[in-house]
Amino acid sequence: GAVVSQHPSRVICKSGTSVKIECRSLDFQATTMFWYRQFPKQSLMLMATSNEGSKATYEQGVEKDKFLINHASLTLSTLTVTSAHPEDSSFYICSAFRQGETQYFGPGTRLLVL
Amino acid sequence: ELKVEQNPLFLSMQEGKNYTIYCNYSTTSDRLYWYRQDPGKSLESLFVLLSNGAVKQEGRLMASLDTKARLSTLHITAAVHDLSATYFCAVDDRRGADGLTFGKGTHLIIQP
Repeated sequence: GAVVSQHPSRVICKSGTSVKIECRSLDFQATTMFWYRQFPKQSLMLMATSNEGSKATYEQGVEKDKFLINHASLTLSTLTVTSAHPEDSSFYICSAFRQGETQYFGPGTRLLVL
Repeated sequence: ELKVEQNPLFLSMQEGKNYTIYCNYSTTSDRLYWYRQDPGKSLESLFVLLSNGAVKQEGRLMASLDTKARLSTLHITAAVHDLSATYFCAVDDRRGADGLTFGKGTHLIIQP
């Protein structure tokens, strides 16, 4: 299977700061990547679809000005949580869609906002 | 709105027993996914079911898909402790080009 990485794997930040999470497809090009969020003991919820070279598409209820997504290349999408607050603490998982195949998930980034 | 319902949400069973997890969905999609998640980890892909009647098996796990009933099952045969995890089914609307909608997950505990 294809490999997707995320960085960092874990981050702790103070309330009000911004945090950037990177998602990379290591051995294939992905025009489409997805960002999911998972709160403790819950399922994964799709936050947004990241399209290379165009604006991201956000799911209902997800603030686009708070969760900034940039998909600047075919192998990299970034999610920036701006002015993070404790309620943003969660497990953020990205996936990359390999054309003709399926989505491949990254290892996740655990964010803790103090 | 696409809905995916799993049951049971919690299952405790003994080693050696058989059990089935059910996944109902509301869309006409014919692609269904099963994932495993261990505590603190991301998702591990188990099965991708692509058409009506698809059946796939890997070890003690077998998944099937009935698109007419909009139902998928994940069957566990002679469970072993190592299969303890949370299992998610997920569906997409557009052949993988859309984000996935996940069920709530089935937290499976297999006791020796």
